[in-house]
Amino acid sequence: AQSVAQPEDQVNVAEGNPLTVKCTYSVSGNPYLFWYVQYPNRGLQFLLKYITGDNLVKGSYGFEAEFNKSQTSFHLKKPSALVSDSALYFCAVREPNQAGTALIFGKGTTLSVSS
Amino acid sequence: NAGVTQTPKFQVLKTGQSMTLQCAQDMNHEYMSWYRQDPGMGLRLIHYSVGAGITDQGEVPNGYNVSRSTTEDFPLRLLSAAPSQTSVYFCASSYRDNSPLHFGNGTRLTVT
Repeated sequence: AQSVAQPEDQVNVAEGNPLTVKCTYSVSGNPYLFWYVQYPNRGLQFLLKYITGDNLVKGSYGFEAEFNKSQTSFHLKKPSALVSDSALYFCAVREPNQAGTALIFGKGTTLSVSS
Repeated sequence: NAGVTQTPKFQVLKTGQSMTLQCAQDMNHEYMSWYRQDPGMGLRLIHYSVGAGITDQGEVPNGYNVSRSTTEDFPLRLLSAAPSQTSVYFCASSYRDNSPLHFGNGTRLTVT
């Protein structure tokens, strides 16, 4: 069965510093991987996805993520954090081409960027 | 372009009552799903559908029913509400399995 883990409940960074939000996954084959962000009292917004191809994926708001098959990881990164990046971030995984599966989310990581 | 529309936005139920959370999308998406969000638990999949007439259970299906009679609509039914079902519920849809999910704005449900 597919699963996804976000090992950190909270990540704290100073504005202007690089940030990393970690995600590891478990699937039977090659995964579809996604990152979503949720701002306070809002719905979820799509940031980026990895389906196939280049391991470094670029997404919205300057975020990027690196797919590492050997470590089964898909960490979210940004070179220079902004206070406005403070939000709840979710990693999600799906097994492709598998009937009867859907997108499974991690428990989320709260990112706090201080000025 | 409405996207994914959920109603109601807020609901308070008494234990044992039943209700239906409505979800509609106007993007002709085949995939639709329901999640609940609880503090520290992330988003957990309740039920999902890969097309009209097809539904399946997710991680936490007990106490909920769904149906998919049309491509557009995917209602979630609470048969006999329990305090453990107090949560924020999100409906989502996508074009295909490798497409991003489009989320509704959520329904905040309180069961007393």
